[in-house]
Amino acid sequence: QVQLVESGGGVVQPGGSLRLSCEVSGFGFGGYGMSWVRQGPGKGLDWLTMISPDGSAKHFKDSLKGRFRISRDNFRNTHFLQMDTLNADDTAMYFCATQGRGFLEFWGQGVQVTVSS
Amino acid sequence: EIVLTQTPLSSPVTLGQSASISCRSSQSLVHADGNTYMSWLHQRPGQPPRVLIEGISNRLSGVPDRFSGSGAGTDFTLRITRVEPEDVGVYFCMQGTQFPWSFGQGTKVEIK
Repeated sequence: QVQLVESGGGVVQPGGSLRLSCEVSGFGFGGYGMSWVRQGPGKGLDWLTMISPDGSAKHFKDSLKGRFRISRDNFRNTHFLQMDTLNADDTAMYFCATQGRGFLEFWGQGVQVTVSS
Repeated sequence: EIVLTQTPLSSPVTLGQSASISCRSSQSLVHADGNTYMSWLHQRPGQPPRVLIEGISNRLSGVPDRFSGSGAGTDFTLRITRVEPEDVGVYFCMQGTQFPWSFGQGTKVEIK
């Protein structure tokens, strides 16, 4: 059974940083791309970034403007989202998901990030 | 960046009846490899989304055949026949043809 578990969320002040983790089990992690998606309070889904199976290719939502970085550790079946210079608009539930061919197949339960002073 | 526009944004439906959701893309979703990466997801309150359909019309394992997807190019449709209580929630279309991937705004399906 595939499981994705996000961690690292919490409350952070504007301008601060957070590093989210997503640990995957029950799945051939190293063979699949991984994405991060967020959902603001009462809002829709917002695709943020992806990383290829070997970590060589990364893509980002244009508006992130270099504030977010994605990485992965295939030995630990984990990938990471480093988020810097956070602002109130980044307040959201953050989900990690595995990538099928052009779709997001398995999802974690999400981790809450709140940016507030 | 590809923009997906869903209609309607809200769909009250009677149990046992059908519902249709449209998703229109700002540009063709046909990939250079010839495939079209349009998928549909369902989200219940407090839950992560669950993918129902990928590649326009391919149902994922365990998805009832009451759900069907169709379309081509820029226009796509999710149809739910014989709506059941567990079908309530928000439905999103998503394109995985071109980075950045993107979602439609979501359509809320509720029982009349």
